[in-house]
Amino acid sequence: KNEVEQSPQNLTAQEGEFITINCSYSVGISALHWLQQHPGGGIVSLFMLSSGKKKHGRLIATINIQEKHSSLHITASHPRDSAVYICAVRWGGNNNDMRFGAGTRLTVKP
Amino acid sequence: NAGVTQTPKFRILKIGQSMTLQCTQDMNHNYMYWYRQDPGMGLKLIYYSVGAGITDKGEVPNGYNVSRSTTEDFPLRLELAAPSQTSVYFCASRPTGDGEQFFGPGTRLTVL
Repeated sequence: KNEVEQSPQNLTAQEGEFITINCSYSVGISALHWLQQHPGGGIVSLFMLSSGKKKHGRLIATINIQEKHSSLHITASHPRDSAVYICAVRWGGNNNDMRFGAGTRLTVKP
Repeated sequence: NAGVTQTPKFRILKIGQSMTLQCTQDMNHNYMYWYRQDPGMGLKLIYYSVGAGITDKGEVPNGYNVSRSTTEDFPLRLELAAPSQTSVYFCASRPTGDGEQFFGPGTRLTVL
């Protein structure tokens, strides 16, 4: 069993829909990251959070430390949001060891 | 700033050949990482470094070696390539503290 589980694996939405991607983890962490991998393969960091909620434009990330769960929300989705979204956790025991989920492939249709 | 750069972008190796994947960052980050990404799987940490002269193993270090002689460069060496090392390799760096990681564009390696 992976330490980091994401759901769903694949998600297809119509433009304008509200999107939620979930991430559950099984170990103590010092921080959780949400990453975006573009169709061309490049990876960019969207959020790093250790508590509460963060918002950048149409993207919102939340984390519940007690429940070991995080969600990434996209409001008013757009075809340019189509990408793989990856959840990663930095382990509390070794600050340099990050464990990654397998990713959620999002396709937003016009 | 160029950020994190990796060379080559693509490479095909024969079994038993060796090669070095190059990674350079110009952000003066102390922490650098090498990951591999296999289809349908999450990225896995191969090696990492917390500063020049210091390296340590990650989750999947077998078959690889690294060195860190300068802050900027963190090359990954494959000595005897095997088909199981076919993957996409990403280098990343981050500043001291719990900041975000910056990823390179990746190297797609095929071992036949």
